Amino acid sequence: DTGVSQDPRHKITKRGQNVTFRCDPISEHNRLYWYRQTLGQGPEFLTYFQNEAQLEKSRLLSDRFSAERPKGSFSTLEIQRTEQGDSAMYLCASSAPDPGQGYNEQFFGPGTRLTVL
Amino acid sequence: DAKTTQPTSMDCAEGRAANLPCNHSTISGNEYVYWYRQIHSQGPQYIIHGLKNNETNEMASLIITEDRKSSTLILPHATLRDTAVYYCILRMDSSYKLIFGSGTRLLVRP
Repeated sequence: DTGVSQDPRHKITKRGQNVTFRCDPISEHNRLYWYRQTLGQGPEFLTYFQNEAQLEKSRLLSDRFSAERPKGSFSTLEIQRTEQGDSAMYLCASSAPDPGQGYNEQFFGPGTRLTVL
Repeated sequence: DAKTTQPTSMDCAEGRAANLPCNHSTISGNEYVYWYRQIHSQGPQYIIHGLKNNETNEMASLIITEDRKSSTLILPHATLRDTAVYYCILRMDSSYKLIFGSGTRLLVRP
């Protein structure tokens, strides 16, 4: 257990439905990241927050995807009008303020596995 | 796209050293070499990172060549619990995202 929690752990939905995932980072961590991982591939970066500000978004994050971190603590990732291609593991990670020397360890949660039927 | 090249799979015997290579011939001066691993059904886990000097921690050693175009992660005494996918990642000092490739699937044999 890294201290990063995600909810739900599994989600099955029908195509066209909206889904929302939640991530609770380690409490003192100011940065929060979302990644997506499909079977047999490494995780793909989606977006990250520093406190409540969303600082970077991947072009993978289409208009159907939106992420928020309203108070700089937990974050939500919403997918609207889900498609079968959205089926994947959605991973959240968090990291502490930089101590220097290039150190930026990201602590990953267990992920939310999404299946779109 | 990932800027590193790793073998698809490797294996080693339990108790022996596991040496995982990574090529990053286009590395730039402000990019760090990071290693993460992902055990089945878990999120990735940080192992070690370095810029140009060799590094060692309680999990592993990282050897970076002098020209920084390749590196090797060494697990000195591999155990069955080290069976995982190992990712070599370049991270710019000014960027916080991790760009994962396909990694090396390491199987530690009893």
